[in-house]
Formats: sequence, structure tokens, C-alpha cells
Amino acid sequence: QVLLVQSGTEVKKPGASVKVSCKASGYTLIDYYMYWVRQAPGQGLEWMGWINLKSGGTAYAQKFLGRVTMTRDTSISTVYMDLSGLRSDDTAVYYCAREYRYNWNTNDYYYMDVWGEGTTVIVSS
Amino acid sequence: DIQMTQSPSSLSASVGDRVTITCRASQSISRHLNWYQQRPGKAPKVLIYGASSLQSGVPSRFSGSGSGTAFTLTISDLQPEDFATYYCQQSDSPPATFGQGTRIEI
Repeated sequence: QVLLVQSGTEVKKPGASVKVSCKASGYTLIDYYMYWVRQAPGQGLEWMGWINLKSGGTAYAQKFLGRVTMTRDTSISTVYMDLSGLRSDDTAVYYCAREYRYNWNTNDYYYMDVWGEGTTVIVSS
Repeated sequence: DIQMTQSPSSLSASVGDRVTITCRASQSISRHLNWYQQRPGKAPKVLIYGASSLQSGVPSRFSGSGSGTAFTLTISDLQPEDFATYYCQQSDSPPATFGQGTRIEI
């Protein structure tokens, strides 16, 4: 069974950093990319970026450049998302999600097929 | 960035109804369009990928169509567990943007 298990709720002060973990099981970690998506209270879904779990290469949404770092430890099948300079509007549920990639009619397609349960991050003074 | 616009933002329906949600992209995304369902307090779950392919384990009452800039998600014979929020998401070019969501209420 493919599972992504995330770390627990974090409460941080403005300006601090938070590191959220996502432990994968049931599949070979390096065969896939991992995305991070967040959702502010009562709001929609926001893609933050991805990490190539084989190479460690990353791509981040413009909005988070300079504040977000995604890493992985393949020895323990765990992916991390580090967000610095926290502000109150970073209060959200943060999800990791596995990218499933396939080829159809000479084109590559991608979607998020397995999601973690989410990690609540609260930023408050 | 490619903008995704869903309509309606919310709708009221009854068990057994047929419901259609529309998603429009700000530029052509071919068939690089996915649909997710999110129940309150839960992570999203993929329903449809590649505009019209049904994810394994998803009931056949869910269907998707479209290409280019206009897409639809249809739920036939609405069931109690289908009352949730639905998001479209484009995977044509990064960043992977989502629609704002459509909430289906009783």
C-alpha cells in the first residue's frame, strides 16, 4: 500500500522557519517526483514546487523563491519542505503529493496520485 | 502562469442529480487537465486525469471531457459522499495551477 505520512502540527512565530516531513512507503521513492501543495484556511489549493527524488533537483513557484527549500533523505524515504521567514498568511495545511507521470500519444502527462494527510502550520505571535 | 477558472463556485444539488462543473484555462493546455475531490478536513483525491481518464477505484458516475481551454467534470447520479469541493488543475506547464474550487452542497 502506497502511503505518505506527514509530521504533526507546528506552531511558529512570525519570522521563524518550519520544516515539514513526508515519509513514503510502499513504493520506490526515487522513481517519482514529490510535490508540495498548501491550503490556507477556507481557501483553495496552491502549488509550491517539486523535488526530483532521484537527483534532488527542485523547482519552486515564483512566489516562494528564496523562502522554500525541498530536500530528501533517500535512506529513510523521507522528503522535507523547509519554509523560512514565516508570516501570518503562511498559516495553512501543507500537503506532500506524489507525481504520477505517464506518456500517451507521444506526450507526457502528470497528476498527483497519492497525497499525505496534511500538516497544519500555524503562524502566530 | 496559466490561470484556471471554475464555474460555478458553488451549487446546491440533491442525491440522484446530474451535475456539471466547468473549468477554463487562460491558454491552451491540450488535455493536461486533472480533477480532484476534497472532502472537509481531508486531502484531495484525484478523480480524472488527462482530461477524461478515470483514476482506478473511482466510480464510473464521474466523467471528464474537453481539450484546449474548456473542460467539464460531470457527476451523474449524485451520491451523499459526493458532496465535497472539486478542483481542476493544469499540468501543461509549471507552476501547476488549480481552479478556485466548486463546492457541491445539499
